[in-house]
Amino acid sequence: GDSVTQMEGPVTLSEEAFLTINCTYTATGYPSLFWYVQYPGEGLQLLLKATKADDKGSNKGFEATYRKETTSFHLEKGSVQVSDSAVYFCALSGYGGSQGNLIFGKGTKLSVKP
Amino acid sequence: DVKVTQSSRYLVKRTGEKVFLECVQDMDHENMFWYRQDPGLGLRLIYFSYDVKMKEKGDIPEGYSVSREKKERFSLILESASTNQTSMYLCASTPSQGGNQPQHFGDGTRLSIL
Repeated sequence: GDSVTQMEGPVTLSEEAFLTINCTYTATGYPSLFWYVQYPGEGLQLLLKATKADDKGSNKGFEATYRKETTSFHLEKGSVQVSDSAVYFCALSGYGGSQGNLIFGKGTKLSVKP
Repeated sequence: DVKVTQSSRYLVKRTGEKVFLECVQDMDHENMFWYRQDPGLGLRLIYFSYDVKMKEKGDIPEGYSVSREKKERFSLILESASTNQTSMYLCASTPSQGGNQPQHFGDGTRLSIL
């Protein structure tokens, strides 16, 4: 079945460091891909999405490119801030009869130190 | 903006009690979802609903039931609460267009079963 694998955390970086969180997926069909962020004590918020191959999603300085050939959707940011400390989830949409369902990775906790 | 409201942020109940978790969305979305979130396990789908009075089991439905009497409201019911149901519960909604639409999440209910 469909699945998402993302790098295990926690990831600890200094402010202004470069961030990469790896995400790979297995899916039938042509899913949409998402990154969600969860700040402490809150629910999940959509960070960015891509709906087809080679699409680049971007928001708040974060970017991810839908790579069909490597089945990947890695999250990147050039210069992280303390306020980026959160848990990040990669997800893909269900296909066919499961449209609307999302399959999530297990999350990667990011801590950014001043 | 879509607003998904969960009735309680924190809830403490006793073993054997019947527990109701309520979720309301204000954007006329057809699809609604209940997840539980546990450390190291990510988000796991309990139940979802594509329409009023309609429900589908997710990955871990045992010990839970749901009710969707009105389009905007989706309730999760713990029939007889047990300590292993202590968790963070997240509700989400999405329109019926399916696969490329993100899910919108509430802030979560942190449930403790004593």
